[in-house]
Amino acid sequence: GESVGLHLPTLSVQEGDNSIINCAYSNSASDYFIWYKQESGKGPQFIIDIRSNMDKRQGQRVTVLLNKTVKHLSLQIAATQPGDSAVYFCAVPPGTMEYGNKLVFGAGTILRVKS
Amino acid sequence: DAGVTQSPTHLIKTRGQHVTLRCSPISGHKSVSWYQQVLGQGPQFIFQYYEKEERGRGNFPDRFSARQFPNYSSELNVNALLLGDSALYLCASTRRGGAYNEQFFGPGTRLTVL
Repeated sequence: GESVGLHLPTLSVQEGDNSIINCAYSNSASDYFIWYKQESGKGPQFIIDIRSNMDKRQGQRVTVLLNKTVKHLSLQIAATQPGDSAVYFCAVPPGTMEYGNKLVFGAGTILRVKS
Repeated sequence: DAGVTQSPTHLIKTRGQHVTLRCSPISGHKSVSWYQQVLGQGPQFIFQYYEKEERGRGNFPDRFSARQFPNYSSELNVNALLLGDSALYLCASTRRGGAYNEQFFGPGTRLTVL
């Protein structure tokens, strides 16, 4: 089955620096990937997604890079702010989205932003 | 608009007891899913319901059950609680065919089993 994992459990960065969070996945047939942010006391919040026909996708201050050759994706956060402090998860839907919702989540990376 | 709501916020039970967790989806959303998030791990899929029918089930024992009501709210029931059931239980809702960026999670119910 699908499994996803993260290389670094905790990442500490200085405010204003760029952050890079990594994720590895196991199923080479996976064609859609999502990053979530989970703040303390809240449920996961969608950040950005990418399909396997893309190598890069940019959002507001975030960029996701996908390397299908090594089954790796990363989330880059530009000019990291204190509000970015949270746990970040990559997630993969194992099947179709007809009824929605089923996801396989990675273990998560804690991002701590130092002021 | 109200987001996904879950109740209670926190719950403490003892081993062997039964627990019922509740979820109200966003208005207009007909699909509800439940996830278990053990401390230090990512959420794990438990159930998915759409139009009151189970549409998906994760690798959880039969002690876990759920249902969805005509108003699309949902309950997750866990019988014969074990210490390992201590976790944050998340509910997520989406409309049918909604993209993942249209799926919203509630704040969760923190269950502690003593």
